[in-house]
Amino acid sequence: LAKTTQPISMDSYEGQEVNITCSHNNIATNDYITWYQQFPSQGPRFIIQGYKTKVTNEVASLFIPADRKSSTLSLPRVSLSDTAVYYCLVGDAKGYSTLTFGKGTMLLVSP
Amino acid sequence: GAVVSQHPSWVICKSGTSVKIECRSLDFQATTMFWYRQFPKQSLMLMATSNEGSKATYEQGVEKDKFLINHASLTLSTLTVTSAHPEDSSFYICSATRQGTDTQYFGPGTRLTVL
Repeated sequence: LAKTTQPISMDSYEGQEVNITCSHNNIATNDYITWYQQFPSQGPRFIIQGYKTKVTNEVASLFIPADRKSSTLSLPRVSLSDTAVYYCLVGDAKGYSTLTFGKGTMLLVSP
Repeated sequence: GAVVSQHPSWVICKSGTSVKIECRSLDFQATTMFWYRQFPKQSLMLMATSNEGSKATYEQGVEKDKFLINHASLTLSTLTVTSAHPEDSSFYICSATRQGTDTQYFGPGTRLTVL
C-alpha cells in the first residue's frame, strides 16, 4: 500500500489560497490520487481525483508533478466553512479496498 | 450526483444487544460498498469490503462474526454489530463505488453508543 504523509494541521485566513501537500513516495503505476474533506461527525466528501499533471474542478485544483511522488491540493479563496480535515489517499483504480486513510490535515480558517 | 445514505444516523443501545446499520446508494447502483469505523480524533479505518451477492472481505483484526455484513442488492448493504459492547461505540461510515468508476462516495455516518 502506498503510504501518504500530510501536515497534521494548517492555519489560514478567509480569502487566502491554501495549498496542502501530500507525499506518496511509493505510489504505484496504477494508483490514482484522491482528496476528501471531512467535517466533524460527517462522512468524507469527495473533492478531487487525479493521476498526473493538473486537475481542476469547481472547488479545487490538484497538482501532480511528473514523478507523482507528491501532490498538492489547492483551495482558492478559502472561507470559514472550509475548516475541516482533508485526507489524501492513493489507491489502485481497480482495487478500491486498498484505499487507506492517513491522519489527514486539519485546516483551520480564521476570520 | 452520487448520494449515499445511512440509517440510523445515531443509535444508543445496551451492552449485549445487536444493532443493524443500513447503507443505501440512492441514485446509483453500487458495485462495491465499504464499511469504516472512526474513533474520536482518529482517521477512518476500513473494516470490510462487500460486493453484491458475495461474502464480505474483512480487514485484518476485524471479527467477521461480530460485524455481520450483508450486501443483498446493488443499492443496499447492512452492517450488524452483534452483542455490542461499550468498546464498539464509534462512528460507522459506509461508502460505495458507482459501476464503472473507482471513486468512493461516503454516507453521512452512524454514531453508535453502547451503554
